[in-house]
Parts: sequence; C-alpha cells; structure tokens
Amino acid sequence: EIVLTQSPATLSLSPGERATLSCRASQSINTYLAWYQQKPGQSPRLLIYGATTRATGIPARFSGSGSGTDFTLTISSLEPEDFAVYYCQHRKNWVFTFGPGTKVEIK
Amino acid sequence: EVQLLESGGGLVQPGGSLRLSCAASGFIFNNYAMSWVRQAPGKGLEWVAGISDSGESTYSADSVKGRFTISRDNSKNTVYLQMNSLRADDTALYYCAKDVSLWELQYFDSWGQGALVTVSS
Repeated sequence: EIVLTQSPATLSLSPGERATLSCRASQSINTYLAWYQQKPGQSPRLLIYGATTRATGIPARFSGSGSGTDFTLTISSLEPEDFAVYYCQHRKNWVFTFGPGTKVEIK
Repeated sequence: EVQLLESGGGLVQPGGSLRLSCAASGFIFNNYAMSWVRQAPGKGLEWVAGISDSGESTYSADSVKGRFTISRDNSKNTVYLQMNSLRADDTALYYCAKDVSLWELQYFDSWGQGALVTVSS
C-alpha cells in the first residue's frame, strides 16, 4: 500500500505570500497524483490532477509539480479565499489513498 | 452542471444498518465509476468504496470490507452504500464522488455535499 505524507501539517502565511506544500509518496507513483482544497464546512474541490494539470476553473496562481515520489503544490500569491486544508491523493489497484492534509492558515 | 445529492444519513446504534443514496445529474452517469469517501469529525479524507461504470466491479477499503456494500442503479442515476454492523468509528460525513480515470491516474472531479452518519447508543 502506498502511503502519502504531507508537510508541513500547518503553514502560517499572510495574504500575498507564496505557499509551498509538499506531498511525498512511499514509492514511485509517476505523476499519478491529484490535489484537493477543502474549506471549512465545504466539500473537497479538485485543484490539480496528473501532478501538474489544473482542473477546470482553477486560478493560475495554483500550480503543481513533481513526479516519482516528491510533489509540490504552489500557491504563488495567497488570496483570502485560499486559506483552507489541502490534500494530495493517489490510486493504485483501485485503492485510493489521501495524504493527511496541510492546513494553510492566516498568520 | 454536475450535481451529486446524498441522502439517508442519520443516527444509528452500534451494530445497526443504514443505506446511503447518491442521486447524480448533469453527466452521463453510466460512463463513470463512482466512489464514497468519508471524513470523521475534524479528521482527513478516507476512501470507503468504489464501483465501476457498469456496476460489475466493486472495491472497498479494508476498514469496511465485509460490512459495507456499494451498488448502483444506472437506470436511476443513483449509487448506494449499504452499511451494516456499524461501529462508533464509522461516524463521519460520507461524500459521494465522481471518478475520472485517465489510464493509471484516477481522481475525483465532483463531490456531493455529504451525508452525516452518527453511530452512537
């Protein structure tokens, strides 16, 4: 079973700052990774799939990178609505795995 | 616009059963696999079960195997989650999610609002 580890657990930043979130897989997963955003009281929203492709309607300030075991979600300049929890996700053999999440909070 | 509307949540005693439903609209339902994903209070996301587009293949997490069953009725654009032998640690918000498969990559591009299941005596 592939384990996804996210760091840091919490990121405290101010609006306008750059956010860099990490997701590490326990073994190589090529670029088979997705990222989701979840705001309090809301359902998760797909941000990135295939490690680098933005989903429909996702602003360009969100970008994904990486392959193999190390992946990064970058928010180039934080907007007030970006403060949320972010999860990475992978599937292998019809078993879906989520990382524990990174909370991006207002400093 | 894709819509996924869950129903059937509620309070149930340990050992009891509950069936969740998810009514889908806005896409060709029988072209997509579907999944249930849950989130315990204050916790992260956990995939629970999935079903292929035809319904011929089903999959579940080890934590629910033998207790939960996923099914679908393509004539009604609905996916179900039958939950038996419920335990306190099954308490969670249960989301219905639409799967997208691109070769080896599979992810969820649409989510419902969730159905709350509380297991307590």
